[in-house]
Amino acid sequence: IAGITQAPTSQILAAGRRMTLRCTQDMRHNAMYWYRQDLGLGLRLIHYSNTAGTTGKGEVPDGYSVSRANTDDFPLTLASAVPSQTSVYFCASSEQGDQETQYFGPGTRLLVL
Amino acid sequence: GQNIDQPTEMTATEGAIVQINCTYQTSGFNGLFWYQQHAGEAPTFLSYNVLDGLEEKGRFSSFLSRSKGYSYLLLKELQMKDSASYLCAVRDSNYQLIWGAGTKLIIKP
Repeated sequence: IAGITQAPTSQILAAGRRMTLRCTQDMRHNAMYWYRQDLGLGLRLIHYSNTAGTTGKGEVPDGYSVSRANTDDFPLTLASAVPSQTSVYFCASSEQGDQETQYFGPGTRLLVL
Repeated sequence: GQNIDQPTEMTATEGAIVQINCTYQTSGFNGLFWYQQHAGEAPTFLSYNVLDGLEEKGRFSSFLSRSKGYSYLLLKELQMKDSASYLCAVRDSNYQLIWGAGTKLIIKP
């Protein structure tokens, strides 16, 4: 693979269920990010990780958790899904440097009922 | 608070030129990015500005004025495939990207 992959592509989830969205990159980028994108709003940062073993909270972290056990993987977990978490979720990564351009995965479309 | 403003939607004609504006108010400035996002797809990187002036990349150019908190993306010789949303994002003092809601560009033949 080349780039970032996300799984699943889409999911319908009952409220109250636990769900993990997967993200894997093969570019050896140090930093990884999780965003949600909702109609009429800009991308909003949920959590990020500057390097393996460290994570940080973004703008909208409540109801979500992440882990970064290694460089390549950055899963996002919804402990108990609620309808307001219906969104499109994008994972991104960037390498350290002056520009640190973020590159995005294809996204996961999540519907919580 | 931090704010990025872009027009919600613009319409242009195939072969023409269009300018998409972005104004920002952020806590600090460490670069401005433009991304393109086709419907149902991921954002893809277009351009980066950190110093004032114009950056040109083929049919696309991006301009930055830090003193005015202003940028624009200029698209020349528009093609139907340029129909997409264009996202402006600013890296703030915490090195986090603050995103605008995007400008949906509709190209008509």
